[in-house]
This record gives sequence, structure tokens and C-alpha cells, in this order.
Amino acid sequence: AQSVTQLGSHVSVSEGALVLLRCNYSSSVPPYLFWYVQYPNQGLQLLLKYTSAATLVKGINGFEAEFKKSETSFHLTKPSAHMSDAAEYFCAVTPGTSYGKLTFGQGTILTVHP
Amino acid sequence: SQTIHQWPATLVQPVGSPLSLECTVEGTSNPNLYWYRQAAGRGLQLLFYSVGIGQISSEVPQNLSASRPQDRQFILSSKKLLLSDSGFYLCAGDDIIAVQETQYFGPGTRLLVL
Repeated sequence: AQSVTQLGSHVSVSEGALVLLRCNYSSSVPPYLFWYVQYPNQGLQLLLKYTSAATLVKGINGFEAEFKKSETSFHLTKPSAHMSDAAEYFCAVTPGTSYGKLTFGQGTILTVHP
Repeated sequence: SQTIHQWPATLVQPVGSPLSLECTVEGTSNPNLYWYRQAAGRGLQLLFYSVGIGQISSEVPQNLSASRPQDRQFILSSKKLLLSDSGFYLCAGDDIIAVQETQYFGPGTRLLVL
């Protein structure tokens, strides 16, 4: 079984500041990990994914995440926030052998202030 | 890449009425398909998944059912809606053939049961 915990349901940053969204996972087998973004009233868009290749993963819109097995973490970062980054972000995990059955975290709403 | 279509975009239904939400996929064949629900203030919950025509697996007991009458069609139904069925319903599909290992999401259907 797997689970995901996103620390902080709301994160607020100033435009230009570092964005850090935290995700910790639990999985009985080597996991695949994902970050999705959801803009208001829209579906989910994949930001990036880890599938057992490089531990530092770069995604769209300047986001990246690092898989740290020892910490069971997959935190999402962006060096400089833009107003357009305001959205809800979801971390998700799936067992590597059962791709697709995603288990999602509760989501983190990112607010960017001018 | 594949595209997921969902309709309607929004739906307001009285308690006790039936429900039919449709999801269609283009750009791939034989995808795994998924129905998720996002309730207000909560993360995404996997409701059903399908690995092929007529093959449905339910992840949680509920008032809903799913069917897959065609390879690229996935339907979510209910005979009698409950207030607790309100939420944002997302259809998703794998695109394993593309080797991108990406799960694509549709735009979602917002259901309000009154």
C-alpha cells in the first residue's frame, strides 16, 4: 500500500520568492512519484514525474523535484515564483509495478502575492 | 499524446435523480482508464479503473457504478444521487504505448447534488 502526505494545505509566497511544496510518501515497493497542478475549474496537468531514473527531476514552468529515498520525500521547488503559479498542487504515488493507480495527497494551494 | 474529453462540464441534479457522466479518449488505443472524485476541501480519490472493455474495478464502495462499453469510452453512473455525491469528477487515462508513462486527465465535471 502507498500513501502521500503533503505538509501544508496552504502556502503563500511573494512573487520572485522561492516556492517549496512538501511531499512525503510511503510505499512498500519502489515508487513512481508525480506532481500535478490544477488551476481553478480545470483538470490536472502533469508538472513532473520520477520513475526510477535521475533523482532530480525537472518539469514544466521551471519546477523541479528531488527524490530522496532516505527521507521518503519528493518536495517540489521553483526558484522564483510567478503570479501565474497560483494554483493547487498535488503529489501522487504509484507502485512501480502497477502504474496508473495513483494515490494522491490532499493538495497544497499556492498563493502568490505581488 | 492522448486527449481526454469529459462532459458535461457542470451539472446540477436533484437528490434521487440518475446520473451519467461520459469520458472519451482519443490519440491512443487500449488505455487504462480511471474515474477520480475530488470532494470540496479534499484530495482526489480513485473510484474506478478499467484495463479494457467490460472490465471495471471498484476502489471504494459507493453509490456509483462505471462501465466501459467501448475501448475509448468510460461512463460513470448512478441510479439515485445522494447529496454526498457532489464533487469534481475527473477521468484519466494512461498512455503507456507512448513510453512517456504519463497519465492524462480530462477537464473534469463539476456535479452539484441539491
